[in-house]
Amino acid sequence: EAGVAQSPRYKIIEKRQSVAFWCNPISGHATLYWYQQILGQGPKLLIQFQNNGVVDDSQLPKDRFSAERLKGVDSTLKIQPAKLEDSAVYLCASKLAGGNTGELFFGEGSRLTVL
Amino acid sequence: QQQVKQSPQSLIVQKGGISIINCAYENTAFDYFPWYQQFPGKGPALLIAIRPDVSEKKEGRFTISFNKSAKQFSLHIMDSQPGDSATYFCAAPRGGSQGNLIFGKGTKLSVKP
Repeated sequence: EAGVAQSPRYKIIEKRQSVAFWCNPISGHATLYWYQQILGQGPKLLIQFQNNGVVDDSQLPKDRFSAERLKGVDSTLKIQPAKLEDSAVYLCASKLAGGNTGELFFGEGSRLTVL
Repeated sequence: QQQVKQSPQSLIVQKGGISIINCAYENTAFDYFPWYQQFPGKGPALLIAIRPDVSEKKEGRFTISFNKSAKQFSLHIMDSQPGDSATYFCAAPRGGSQGNLIFGKGTKLSVKP
């Protein structure tokens, strides 16, 4: 079974530039998450989708971050304009169904460096 | 803000020793407590999880101990091996039934040969 695919693995941009990250979850997984992991910290939820609908985006900085999952499969996370503090690894995860239990499957992440 | 507080921040253990990582939570409504393991350059992966209706769960060398009255749960790694060197995160449901997790800040474990 293929895992969660993310691209690009690495990205370096100047502040105020824009960047987009792509995620393809495990086939059949209805729930998709984007987490931000700053160096030395635990992952922090940015947004959660159930199929193509947003379940929780309360921690997404909506003035600069946006995400979509148009057909309920793959997803894109965009940052525009980027700030220095956005330097982090952006992790995509998927889960088979909703609810509080169950395993989240993470991709390897997209490492962003903002100069 | 619901939190899970994890300690220690880092841990060095000799091969064959016991590694113990602790996590405290605040919200008594939490009903699922997983531990995730992360190797450098990889995403976190589920290691073991527990529901609060049991006090202990063991899978191989890994055990979760749960203390509901103290609102704490801990991960014990028996016979620690160099291959266990990784960062470990405790987590808990963020709230409601949405099914997303809040993570602790992580414990970097180094097992010396």
